[in-house]
Amino acid sequence: DAGVIQSPRHEVTEMGQEVTLRCKPISGHNSLFWYRQTMMRGLELLIYFNNNVPIDDSGMPEDRFSAKMPNASFSTLKIQPSEPRDSAVYFCASSPGGTNTGELFFGEGSRLTVL
Amino acid sequence: DAKTTQPPSMDCAEGRAANLPCNHSTISGNEYVYWYRQIHSQGPQYIIHGLKNNETNEMASLIITEDRKSSTLILPHATLRDTAVYYCIVRLYSGNTGKLIFGQGTTLQVKP
Repeated sequence: DAGVIQSPRHEVTEMGQEVTLRCKPISGHNSLFWYRQTMMRGLELLIYFNNNVPIDDSGMPEDRFSAKMPNASFSTLKIQPSEPRDSAVYFCASSPGGTNTGELFFGEGSRLTVL
Repeated sequence: DAKTTQPPSMDCAEGRAANLPCNHSTISGNEYVYWYRQIHSQGPQYIIHGLKNNETNEMASLIITEDRKSSTLILPHATLRDTAVYYCIVRLYSGNTGKLIFGQGTTLQVKP
């Protein structure tokens, strides 16, 4: 199994630019999560989906952030316009759901630097 | 979800058992205890979880006190590769995946 795949692995952009992070969950998993990690705030849950439907987006910082899951095999997290304080590592995770352990499988992360 | 309290850091000698404590005094009856770890720059990795009984798998053992207000993760023979941040998380689990909220965790340093 390829695991959760995130792209890009690294992104450097300038303030005001649009950033799109992508995630391909493990095939067959029906839950998908977006997390952000910084030194100051640790790992923060931004949003999660069950069966492609957003369930809880209370962690999304503000209207500049949006996430979509158009189908079971793809999700995006978009920041528009980006700001230096958005610099962080963004992790995507997926989970099988159902009567399993509730284990989340994380990707390698996308490191975003906004100048 | 109930909050957890972990020591910020711990050291362990290579080859010895690492015992990582976690307090979760406000845990409710249907909340599970999960442990994850994050090795530098990588995504968090699931280790083990439990409800009431002690659990063991190929990675670790989880000991939950009878009143469920605290637990201990045991790495029986720590290696240098076990150096990581370990997160104890209390979470409702009903069969449909709910959200997982990470705290600050314990940084475990395994020393030669």
